[in-house]
Amino acid sequence: DTEVTQTPKHLVMGMTNKKSLKCEQHMGHRAMYWYKQKAKKPPELMFVYSYEKLSINESVPSRFSPECPNSSLLNLHLHALQPEDSALYLCASSQVDMGLVSDEQFFGPGTRLTVL
Amino acid sequence: AQSVAQPEDQVNVAEGNPLTVKCTYSVSGNPYLFWYVQYPNRGLQFLLKYITGDNLVKGSYGFEAEFNKSQTSFHLKKPSALVSDSALYFCAVRVHTGGFKTIFGAGTRLFVKA
Repeated sequence: DTEVTQTPKHLVMGMTNKKSLKCEQHMGHRAMYWYKQKAKKPPELMFVYSYEKLSINESVPSRFSPECPNSSLLNLHLHALQPEDSALYLCASSQVDMGLVSDEQFFGPGTRLTVL
Repeated sequence: AQSVAQPEDQVNVAEGNPLTVKCTYSVSGNPYLFWYVQYPNRGLQFLLKYITGDNLVKGSYGFEAEFNKSQTSFHLKKPSALVSDSALYFCAVRVHTGGFKTIFGAGTRLFVKA
């Protein structure tokens, strides 16, 4: 299985709602990532998990809360979002070779988030 | 600062003609370079990578890229473009800064006309 799955595909939420995005992979990858992508722009890194531990947080506002409950799952909990948070949220995974950064990332199809 | 530049917002090419999408990089140490493609409303798909070895790297769907250390470039090429190659292409460099991080270029939109 060489696929990263993301649910839901689309999400519309109000600014007071709490919702979660889910990402799953069964490739044995031990690095997982959340990206935010605005239209016609490159993905912006939000968080990196390595061996289920948060290794990079790109100064993301606390209204985004990541969670990695096991090596196959990655969640992004959303609370009190703003309309400017509307974007495509991409999950990715990759192998981890200690001391090397050579592996490509496998991306999920993304969740299209709209904040009203 | 480590960065990747894609100087062209858009590349137009006729089907059957060769295509080139340009990328230059600025990194400290050895570069780990990648190309990804994104179709509308989809995630990114890996095309190819350069880690070490031959400067000409072959990847998926007939794409290849040439690593040029003196020009700090990693241009994506294909000998004969297809309409189905029309998509958004990202050049990227992987760096290790306490964790594994990918820096993406701004992207180049490729239009292949029939």
